This record gives sequence, structure tokens and C-alpha cells, in this order.
Amino acid sequence: QTVVTQEPSLTVSPGGTVTLTCASSTGAVTSGYYPNWFQQKPGQAPRALIYSTSNKHSWTPARFSGSLLGGKAALTLSGVQPEDEAEYYCLLYYGGAVVFGGGTKLTVL
Amino acid sequence: EVQLVESGGGLVQPGGSLRLSCAASGFTFSSYSMNWVRQAPGKGLEWVSYISSSSSTIYYADSVKGRFTISRDNAKNSLYLQMNSLRAEDTAVYYCARGGSYSRWGQGTLVTVSS
Repeated sequence: QTVVTQEPSLTVSPGGTVTLTCASSTGAVTSGYYPNWFQQKPGQAPRALIYSTSNKHSWTPARFSGSLLGGKAALTLSGVQPEDEAEYYCLLYYGGAVVFGGGTKLTVL
Repeated sequence: EVQLVESGGGLVQPGGSLRLSCAASGFTFSSYSMNWVRQAPGKGLEWVSYISSSSSTIYYADSVKGRFTISRDNAKNSLYLQMNSLRAEDTAVYYCARGGSYSRWGQGTLVTVSS
């Protein structure tokens, strides 16, 4: 069974920079896994942020960026705002299947 | 405005069936693949199923294979999920999401499987 692993929790100060990662139990994450990133706030549906590693949706704030880092997919927030406090999920494609990471709870403190 | 509105959730006994619907508007539904994703109470997201724009390609998570059936009606701009042999562990909010990039999500519909 394929497992996608994210940091359970991270804390960042307002205005700071933080990187969330997404690892695959099958090995290094490459662009062929088409990493996606989502933000979810309590009581809300998820909101798409990044697709295919680094592509932003029209509504994605410029401070969010996606990349591959050290064999993992990564989501970097630069100049963190209080409203960025949320749960973040990555998604990886495995041929005909999709697996979500367990999520990272980002606290802005 | 792009909208996805799920419906059909509710309380069902173990072993029972339920059919979820997702009504799409504000975009050309027939041009997009669609997905079902669920989230158990207090838990993370779990992919459930995928259907291509023409229904020619369908995938399921192992946890629902053989019990759930995804379908769509492009004339009605609607996506469906037929859920049979429901189990307690199927209890979740079920979301429909648009496309390979999961760019848009509905607000979800709660399915509770309990006796």
C-alpha cells in the first residue's frame, strides 16, 4: 500500500517562510507524480493551490510556490500571513490511482 | 461562476446503499474529468474515484472497489456515486472535485453509516 507522508505539524511566524514536504513510500517524487497541493480551513472544503508540481491556479496567492526538493514535492510559503493558518494536503498520482498525504497543520504564531 | 453542489448524503445502516449526486454549473462539464474524494470526521482526505470526461476511463480506490460505482450524465451536467454494501468506515463527507488538477470542489455531503 502506497503511503504519502507529510509533516504532521509546523509552526511559522507571521512574515516568515516555511516549506512543507510530501514524500512517497515508493521512492523519490518526480514531476511524473504530478504533485498537487491543497489548503483546507476548518469547516470548509479544500481549495486547490498548486498543480503539476509548480503551477498556480489563478486564485493562488503569489507567496505560495511549489517545487521538487530532495526527492520530495515541496510547498513553500514566503511572507506568511495569519490567514495561511490551515491544514495543507499534497496529492500524488500513481498511474490510475491517487493518494493524498496525511496533511500538515500549519500554525502561524 | 463555477459551482459544484453535492447531494444525497444521509444516515444509512451498515450494508445499505446510497446514491450521491454532484450538480455542476458555470463551466463545460463534458470537457472535464471528475473525482470523488472523502474525508472521515477529523481525518484527512481520501481519494475515492475518478471518471474521465467521456466516461471511458474509470478508477477506484482499493477501499471501495467492487462496492462503489462512479458515473456521469453530461447532458444533465451531473456526476454520481452509487455506494453499496456500506460500512461504518465509509462514514465521511464526500466531495466532488473537478478535473485532473482538482481545481474546484463542492461543499460536500455527509454520509453516516450506523445502526
